[in-house]
Amino acid sequence: AQKVTQAQTEISVVEKEDVTLDCVYETRDTTYYLFWYKQPPSGELVFLIRRNSFDEQNEISGRYSWNFQKSTSSFNFTITASQVVDSAVYFCALSASTGNQFYFGTGTSLTVIP
Amino acid sequence: ETGVTQSPTHLIKTRGQQVTLRCSSQSGHNTVSWYQQALGQGPQFIFQYYREEENGRGNFPPRFSGLQFPNYSSELNVNALELDDSALYLCASSLIDYNEQFFGPGTRLTVL
Repeated sequence: AQKVTQAQTEISVVEKEDVTLDCVYETRDTTYYLFWYKQPPSGELVFLIRRNSFDEQNEISGRYSWNFQKSTSSFNFTITASQVVDSAVYFCALSASTGNQFYFGTGTSLTVIP
Repeated sequence: ETGVTQSPTHLIKTRGQQVTLRCSSQSGHNTVSWYQQALGQGPQFIFQYYREEENGRGNFPPRFSGLQFPNYSSELNVNALELDDSALYLCASSLIDYNEQFFGPGTRLTVL
């Protein structure tokens, strides 16, 4: 069975603080893909990153960075020097190698206070 | 490149009615997936269409049905609406066997 857990329901930070969003996943597949999406109030899911299970390299994109650790089944997302525009709900998702069904976590609502 | 579009944006129905939601996939994509997102929850997979046939289904009753057309656009039909069907319905397009989905803006359905 596939499952994604985002234990943090809501997080509030002051602008310019760093914040880490946690994601823990469960799967029996050896090949799988992990994703992070941002959902602003408008509702559209905005793609942030895709990672396959064989690539454990951490990735940095501007103020965003991702830490993938297979040993702990985690794929955490860090925003450095947060900005008000980062306020949104963030979803972590898992997809097995076969089929395109995505399994989403329940999301973490991030509020950045100016 | 044309992104995923959905119509209508908002919809209000009453219990027992039927509804049809529409999705146009991103240019070049041949697969469409539908998700239901209840308030405060993550999206839940309803089903996927590829080559005009259902290609996987989540835990949703048969009153949720769909179609895919030769131009890869898709419809989601829900019969006998229930109050719990109130949600944001998201459509995502992709290429088959390529694990990256692009989502549309969603249709917000309210059932009274």
